[in-house]
This record gives sequence, C-alpha cells and structure tokens, in this order.
Amino acid sequence: GQQVMQIPQYQHVQEGEDFTTYCNSSTTLSNIQWYKQRPGGHPVFLIQLVKSGEVKKQKRLTFQFGEAKKNSSLHITATQTTDVGTYFCAGRGTGFQKLVFGTGTRLLVSP
Amino acid sequence: GAVVSQHPSWVICKSGTSVKIECRSLDFQATTMFWYRQFPKQSLMLMATSNEGSKATYEQGVEKDKFLINHASLTLSTLTVTSAHPEDSSFYICSASGTSGSGEQFFGPGTRLTVL
Repeated sequence: GQQVMQIPQYQHVQEGEDFTTYCNSSTTLSNIQWYKQRPGGHPVFLIQLVKSGEVKKQKRLTFQFGEAKKNSSLHITATQTTDVGTYFCAGRGTGFQKLVFGTGTRLLVSP
Repeated sequence: GAVVSQHPSWVICKSGTSVKIECRSLDFQATTMFWYRQFPKQSLMLMATSNEGSKATYEQGVEKDKFLINHASLTLSTLTVTSAHPEDSSFYICSASGTSGSGEQFFGPGTRLTVL
C-alpha cells in the first residue's frame, strides 16, 4: 500500500534558525496536504498542493510539491517558539483515495 | 473554519467495558467522517471511513466487531470500542471533510482513552 515517509523525525533548532521537513511518497499523489499538531493537540490544516512543481507561501512557511508529485517539502524561515509541534504531510493517491499521513517531523525551538 | 467536536475528551475505563466516542460537525454537514488512532509520538493511522447512512469502510487490520462505527446523521458519527483492553489505550481522533470540495479535513480535539 501507499507509504508516506518524512525526514527528519525530529529536529531541535535555536529560535531564528531555518527548518525544513521533507515528505516522500511511494506512489504518485493527486494532492498533498500539510498539518501541524501542537503537543497535546489535534492536527490543524495548513495547506493543500495540487499542481506539479507548485510552490505556496504562508508568511514564513514555504510549501513545495515535487515535479513528479511524489515528494513535498515545508520550509520555515527564522523559526519562532510558536512553531513548536509536529508537522505531518498527508498524501492522497490518484482517484478518490484515503488521505495517508506521513510519519511526521517533530520540531522543537529553543529561545 | 468548520468546527468538529468530540466527546468525551478523555476517558478511563476498566478492561472489558465498552466506550463510546462521539464526533460532531457543529456548523456543517459531513457525509463522510474519518476515525484515526494515534499512539504517543507516532503518526495518525486511519481506522475507518464513516459514511452517513451506510456501513463504515474499515482499514486492513482493524476489527469491525471491536470498533463499531455508526454514522446516523450528517452531523454525528460514533465510535464504540467494545470489550476494551489495555492495548486499546490510545488517542482517537475523528475528522470530517467540509463541503467546499477543497479536500481539507477538519479534526476534532481527540479523545484520550486509557484502559486499566
């Protein structure tokens, strides 16, 4: 079945440093979504990418969908302590298929 | 944005008892809701897809008779963990797709189940 892996599993940065998490799917995706889950909380939708090579920005967050639609990345510029949490990508295969969540990357930001 | 609620937020029960978790879409109608399980520091694993007025679709490895799902209305889905055991202790989260067609899923706050 479809598998979605993320690297790194965990990253600890100093406030102000940049952060990137990478998401790789074993199969081609029709779209990919990104979610953030704060400690003790539930996933909150960040964005959805649909087109090959698509790049979207939300303030300090930059999301990219690979040309082959099998990988994606999330880059945070100048991290802040409020960025702490686990970031999940979630991919949907071609046709109406279930959303498969990635393994997640846990981000810790020290002041 | 759309709001999804879950009740209870946490529950502790004895081994062998059954626990019902409710998932409600508060300001929109959800023909499809999803039930996930999340173990500590792990990803969300889809358990089943709940469709209003029809039987749920379970993922491979999820026991239908143990995790009973009922989606009786467009705003309510329930998950009943029957004869719970300590290994069923987990964080159970439901989600629903909105009606905008964007594919975004709105998650409930989750229910933390502890089986003693």
